[in-house]
Amino acid sequence: QKEVEQDPGPLSVPEGAIVSLNCTYSNSAFQYFMWYRQYSRKGPELLMYTYSSGNKEDGRFTAQVDKSSKYISLFIRDSQPSDSATYLCAMSAYTGAGSYQLTFGKGTKLSVIP
Amino acid sequence: DAMVIQNPRYQVTQFGKPVTLSCSQTLNHNVMYWYQQKSSQAPKLLFHYYDKDFNNEADTPDNFQSRRPNTSFCFLDIRSPGLGDAAMYLCATSRESRGLVTQYFGPGTRLTVL
Repeated sequence: QKEVEQDPGPLSVPEGAIVSLNCTYSNSAFQYFMWYRQYSRKGPELLMYTYSSGNKEDGRFTAQVDKSSKYISLFIRDSQPSDSATYLCAMSAYTGAGSYQLTFGKGTKLSVIP
Repeated sequence: DAMVIQNPRYQVTQFGKPVTLSCSQTLNHNVMYWYQQKSSQAPKLLFHYYDKDFNNEADTPDNFQSRRPNTSFCFLDIRSPGLGDAAMYLCATSRESRGLVTQYFGPGTRLTVL
């Protein structure tokens, strides 16, 4: 079993729809949970991060973490064509030697159709 | 703007011909990472530098080497590229701290092996 599982999609939605992206994980040592957005042929950019169970909202984006179920979600409200990208969940754990290591999901490719 | 820069953005090499990819950063971060990302897959950590200390992932092939001559620059050397090494190579940086460690990614170098 991989440490982080993410449905690769692709996911296609109409403009204005609510999008739900999800990841599950197995490593209880993960402390921080992040969502990155990656446009085609670009590097990932950090969208949101959280470290506790519950919801965190930033504009149209809401990140949700349920540590008891080892499940995280990203919700996008009022989705726009500009949201079309691959969304990667990532989780970090302290590895010792003063550094954290990120473990990524495979990414979900999202297309928002005008 | 502070950023992570990768050169070149696209690199074509021949099977077995050594290639060097470069990364520079103006963020003054002490940790630098190299990831390999193949199509529709999660970024895979190859190695990272914590200051001058080199940390190799256990499953990174010996064909991949890295150099960090100073805080700002880091290089990825592929000694004898094979067809399976064709991928996007991502450089990332972070500032280590006892807490959330956010990694900032460059735009990536897409490597083609002929």
